Amino acid sequence: SQTIHQWPATLVQPVGSPLSLECTVEGTSNPNLYWYRQAAGRGLQLLFYSVGIGQISSEVPQNLSASRPQDRQFILSSKKLLLSDSGFYLCAWSRSQYQPQHFGDGTRLSIL
Amino acid sequence: EDQVTQSPEALRLQEGESSSLNCSYTVSGLRGLFWYRQDPGKGPEFLFTLYSAGEEKEKERLKATLTKKESFLHITAPKPEDSATYLCAVQGGSGGSNYKLTFGKGTLLTVNP
Repeated sequence: SQTIHQWPATLVQPVGSPLSLECTVEGTSNPNLYWYRQAAGRGLQLLFYSVGIGQISSEVPQNLSASRPQDRQFILSSKKLLLSDSGFYLCAWSRSQYQPQHFGDGTRLSIL
Repeated sequence: EDQVTQSPEALRLQEGESSSLNCSYTVSGLRGLFWYRQDPGKGPEFLFTLYSAGEEKEKERLKATLTKKESFLHITAPKPEDSATYLCAVQGGSGGSNYKLTFGKGTLLTVNP
């Protein structure tokens, strides 16, 4: 069966510091990978998606970037965090474009 | 732009008291409507996909239905362990990003024993 791992579960960072969140998927090959952000009182918002190694598409302009160095690894990064980057970050995978997306347990990011 | 509206925002039921959650949507070329369950501090857990009007899916006490404008999640004889936030999402197939799920804000369901 397929599993998805995200770490860390919680993170507290000062404004202006860098960020690296990692997500890995097991039990499948060449998955589509996604990064979402869930803000309080708002629906999940797609930030980035990837259909293959090195292929990244951005949905919204922002202070964040994403990379996919390996088939089943997806990384969310920032060079300098802003207060507005606080939120619950979720990684997801799917077999193909219109198949269900399956989520990890997320990272709660607080910016001080 | 795709839009999803869920109602009610919160629902409190007694154990065994059946009810329905609503998801109204507008989307360009529906490719799928998805229901998820989310527990506090966790990621959404996939429940159902519906692809066309008239389709129904069932899982234990849950049944999802779909029309051209809305979807319902029916909960029959709920138990306290059904307490969670239920999320609805749509994926369109024409215009804009075809990879994005557009989510509603969810319905917080509480089932009291």
